[in-house]
Amino acid sequence: KQEVTQIPAALSVPEGENLVLNCSFTDSAIYNLQWFRQDPGKGLTSLLLIQSSQREQTSGRLNASLDKSSGRSTLYIAASQPGDSATYLCAVLYNQGGKLIFGQGTELSVKP
Amino acid sequence: SAVISQKPSRDICQRGTSLTIQCQVDSQVTMMFWYRQQPGQSLTLIATANQGSEATYESGFVIDKFPISRPNLTFSTLTVSNMSPEDSSIYLCSGGWGGRYYGYTFGSGTRLTVV
Repeated sequence: KQEVTQIPAALSVPEGENLVLNCSFTDSAIYNLQWFRQDPGKGLTSLLLIQSSQREQTSGRLNASLDKSSGRSTLYIAASQPGDSATYLCAVLYNQGGKLIFGQGTELSVKP
Repeated sequence: SAVISQKPSRDICQRGTSLTIQCQVDSQVTMMFWYRQQPGQSLTLIATANQGSEATYESGFVIDKFPISRPNLTFSTLTVSNMSPEDSSIYLCSGGWGGRYYGYTFGSGTRLTVV
């Protein structure tokens, strides 16, 4: 079964800390992996897209890595800010099916 | 990437009624999907909207409850039929070109409350 798991479910950190969110998936036959941000009651904003042939992608203070062989991805957020507070979702596009499979999300709270 | 407009953004509906949600993409996309997000939960795929043919539903979702149309490559609708309070959720439309090089874009969602 194609599944995606995110750890931790929730995380609270003081402002300025660097942090890592984890995502694991059960099948290495993937097209790509996307990290999204969701603010309460809102839609999803795409943060980073990593293709299956890539090892990492960077955008500003965000860095996402991908290790297909171990079925893992991490989202690294540097120098966290209160505005980073949101739920972060990992989604995998498996080779078979053409549809995104989502993890449960990590709810991040950055305290000033 | 595509930009997706979804409406209504929110609605409060009486049980037993139906609501149709519209999704408009600013460019032709290969794939369109409808997701449900129940309170405190992640996204669950309802169905893949197929252009010009019947949608492909995931396990646990049926056409009578969630009829979907996709008359062309840029537009789709989802109807939530005979609503009950358990249908209170955020409904999200997604679109993209599929394949390894492209990600998917999401609409801003429809927040539905059934009373």
